[in-house]
Amino acid sequence: AQKVTQAQTEISVVEKEDVTLDCVYETRDTTYYLFWYKQPPSGELVFLIRRNSFDEQNEISGRYSWNFQKSTSSFNFTITASQVVDSAVYFCALTPRGRDGTASKLTFGTGTRLQVTL
Amino acid sequence: DAGITQSPRHKVTETGTPVTLRCHQTENHRYMYWYRQDPGHGLRLIHYSYGVKDTDKGEVSDGYSVSRSKTEDFLLTLESATSSQTSVYFCAIREGITNEKLFFGSGTQLSVL
Repeated sequence: AQKVTQAQTEISVVEKEDVTLDCVYETRDTTYYLFWYKQPPSGELVFLIRRNSFDEQNEISGRYSWNFQKSTSSFNFTITASQVVDSAVYFCALTPRGRDGTASKLTFGTGTRLQVTL
Repeated sequence: DAGITQSPRHKVTETGTPVTLRCHQTENHRYMYWYRQDPGHGLRLIHYSYGVKDTDKGEVSDGYSVSRSKTEDFLLTLESATSSQTSVYFCAIREGITNEKLFFGSGTQLSVL
């Protein structure tokens, strides 16, 4: 069975602060994918990143960066110089890497609500 | 938005009534999914489909059925709605055969009174 834990229920920061959202996962699969999704107040789910389990390079995209550490089963997400528009619920998710043609079934964490204020 | 349309966007119904939610996609994706979102639970998989007439259960499938008679449509049915099924329902598609990314529709807010 898979499990994704986002222990931070809610985080509040002041604009321009850096903030890290934690994600810890459990899986018995040797190859898997990890994801982050953003859900702004409008309610849609926005894909942010997918990371393969065999690729432990950190990734940076603008103000966003992701730190994947297989040794600690963590896939943390950092927003640098946060902005009000970053206010949203952020979900971490996991799926085993199935054979080609098999369905991927994401297991989600419970989400972290980020509030960025002026 | 990956060409996904959910309907209706909002629905209020009474306990015991049947409800059908529709997910329509325009890009011929093979895999489609229904998730529900509840506070404290994140998103949980209800059912998924890997082709026309090919469906399987997710972790919270009790009380739900699905059908996929055409590639573009994936229907979720609550045969007899209960208050515990009040939730936001999201449809998702998976891009391609090897790409594990899921893209989600805008969601349906269902209230069962």
